Amino acid sequence: NAGVTQTPKFRVLKTGQSMTLLCAQDMNHEYMYWYRQDPGMGLRLIHYSVGEGTTAKGEVPDGYNVSRLKKQNFLLGLESAAPSQTSVYFCASGTRRDTEAFFGQGTRLTVV
Amino acid sequence: AQSVTQLDSHVSVSEGTPVLLRCNYSSSYSPSLFWYVQHPNKGLQLLLKYTSAATLVKGINGFEAEFKKSETSFHLTKPSAHMSDAAEYFCVVRPGSNYKLTFGKGTLLTVNP
Repeated sequence: NAGVTQTPKFRVLKTGQSMTLLCAQDMNHEYMYWYRQDPGMGLRLIHYSVGEGTTAKGEVPDGYNVSRLKKQNFLLGLESAAPSQTSVYFCASGTRRDTEAFFGQGTRLTVV
Repeated sequence: AQSVTQLDSHVSVSEGTPVLLRCNYSSSYSPSLFWYVQHPNKGLQLLLKYTSAATLVKGINGFEAEFKKSETSFHLTKPSAHMSDAAEYFCVVRPGSNYKLTFGKGTLLTVNP
């Protein structure tokens, strides 16, 4: 009963390095989301996907790219990490528009 | 566009006293509304949700919320706070027209012994 699984849970990057965060869900959900959480800011939507092969920009997409090649996976990429991308990243998945989203446990990323 | 305003960034109560966390929303379409809780260094857990059925919604751990369309509010209440309720609470809106969930900035609840 895994739900939404994020990999890795912690990561430290140097400025300019690249990395990919993986989100996997086993609930056959159509919608998947990437959020970032910063103190006093709540969760802000980076990118989202409404189905396999489709992605769209959220509120704060700059500096990030995403891909959804398989329905169960949603990848978040940082091509050239910056200190401003230090944050906790949450992936979520959901289905019909009137139902809740299910969240992963988060990835704490520090860019030095 | 939709938005959520949580009116208090920090609420402090004594154990055994009532809890009120306030949330106002704006949405162009009939929304679904949610409250999530996040304990320190943990993920987000759904407390309760409103999806156009009963306006008074009961959730887990004794929490409830009332949807008031005329006031565009969805305040979270609990009759008696417990120490384990200390956490950050997020109000979330999902308009009927799209898939995006918009979060408020959160309310940190402190429960004093």
